[in-house]
Amino acid sequence: DTAVSQTPKYLVTQMGNDKSIKCEQNLGHDTMYWYKQDSKKFLKIMFSYNNKELIINETVPNRFSPKSPDKAHLNLHINSLELGDSAVYFCASSQWAGESNEQFFGPGTRLTVL
Amino acid sequence: GQQVMQIPQYQHVQEGEDFTTYCNSSTTLSNIQWYKQRPGGHPVFLIQLVKSGEVKKQKRLTFQFGEAKKNSSLHITATQTTDVGTYFCAGTRGAGSYQLTFGKGTKLSVIP
Repeated sequence: DTAVSQTPKYLVTQMGNDKSIKCEQNLGHDTMYWYKQDSKKFLKIMFSYNNKELIINETVPNRFSPKSPDKAHLNLHINSLELGDSAVYFCASSQWAGESNEQFFGPGTRLTVL
Repeated sequence: GQQVMQIPQYQHVQEGEDFTTYCNSSTTLSNIQWYKQRPGGHPVFLIQLVKSGEVKKQKRLTFQFGEAKKNSSLHITATQTTDVGTYFCAGTRGAGSYQLTFGKGTKLSVIP
């Protein structure tokens, strides 16, 4: 059973398009995250939701909009894609939003913008 | 903002040699976590350190948290090809902030 799943695994699209990435966790966790990993492998937090409420909103272009329909799902919608958006996007979850929580990562979505 | 520096960026070792990666924070950390990411994979949690001066071991891996809670290290004894991957440290500042700030990682290559 996959704990944190993401779809799609690969996404190739043209500049200017709008796309969504979906994430689901079956761990019963309260908190979910989106990370961006660039070509140099740097992992940067983008957003975090705790029980469907946004709790971390880093400096990310407002073309990126997260949506959490319930605490098991956190989707990421990206408008007007740019070349610089090419990266691997990881969804993660943790039991709650406290300090001492390991995070479980999904397999990642490799986004390529042409 | 909080910064977590990690060195070295890359390390190539002969199989059987030891390996160490170091993590330094600009601020005192509440706790530090270590993750491993295999090539083409996703980060996987290894361990969390919370107490000042804490040392934890997992088989050939030894994790340390500095006395001042601003630095940490991961040491692998007698590396094996299965140790290949990128090792990340990630710290939490605490004081109501539970955001994990990741270091840039150390990519380990093991030459058989």
